[in-house]
Amino acid sequence: DAGITQSPRHKVTETGTPVTLRCHQTENHRYMYWYRQDPGHGLRLIHYSYGVKDTDKGEVSDGYSVSRSKTEDFLLTLESATSSQTSVYFCAISESGAGGNTDTQYFGPGTRLTVL
Amino acid sequence: GEDVEQSLFLSVREGDSSVINCTYTDSSSTYLYWYKQEPGAGLQLLTYIFSNMDMKQDQRLTVLLNKKDKHLSLRIADTQTGDSAIYFCAVKTSYDKVIFGPGTSLSVIP
Repeated sequence: DAGITQSPRHKVTETGTPVTLRCHQTENHRYMYWYRQDPGHGLRLIHYSYGVKDTDKGEVSDGYSVSRSKTEDFLLTLESATSSQTSVYFCAISESGAGGNTDTQYFGPGTRLTVL
Repeated sequence: GEDVEQSLFLSVREGDSSVINCTYTDSSSTYLYWYKQEPGAGLQLLTYIFSNMDMKQDQRLTVLLNKKDKHLSLRIADTQTGDSAIYFCAVKTSYDKVIFGPGTSLSVIP
């Protein structure tokens, strides 16, 4: 299994509070991703990173920000959590995001976030 | 934009073959993947196929790709209760983005 951990694994918070989720990898992969998983929607990309301090938006980035100050860590922040952000959040990594290779993504175990 | 579709549920009897289907819109997709998600876990890559292939076999798994119809399928032979999971089709588009389908929940009846 790829060395990806997420913390916390479960969190319950209240509307309006800030929340930060952490993804940590030991594979030295360049690309890191944050997805949310909701029933009937599959996985939707929130943000991704293609290097230290290099990030870009995915399809559902509103209300989320990210930071990557080290290769191994990718943080997802909900500045002011809302009930619509209740979801399971997955981090993924890949060696390369482009250029004709397989771009296989390896996933972390997920964080279940509940916003009351 | 690009889209990947799958039926949401499939139920089969233990020992039968399972066929999970996927359709996609980007005809220039390069790689197509099948991921498996067991309860409470992240996704794990099962197999992938390059767009210039029609078929790939890996033990009990057979992937068929029909590029003309933009249709991908995953066949699991001799399905076991341990195969019960959610199966995601994913496609690497011509823009180097990976798009995931909604997942098919496979239930295996003993």
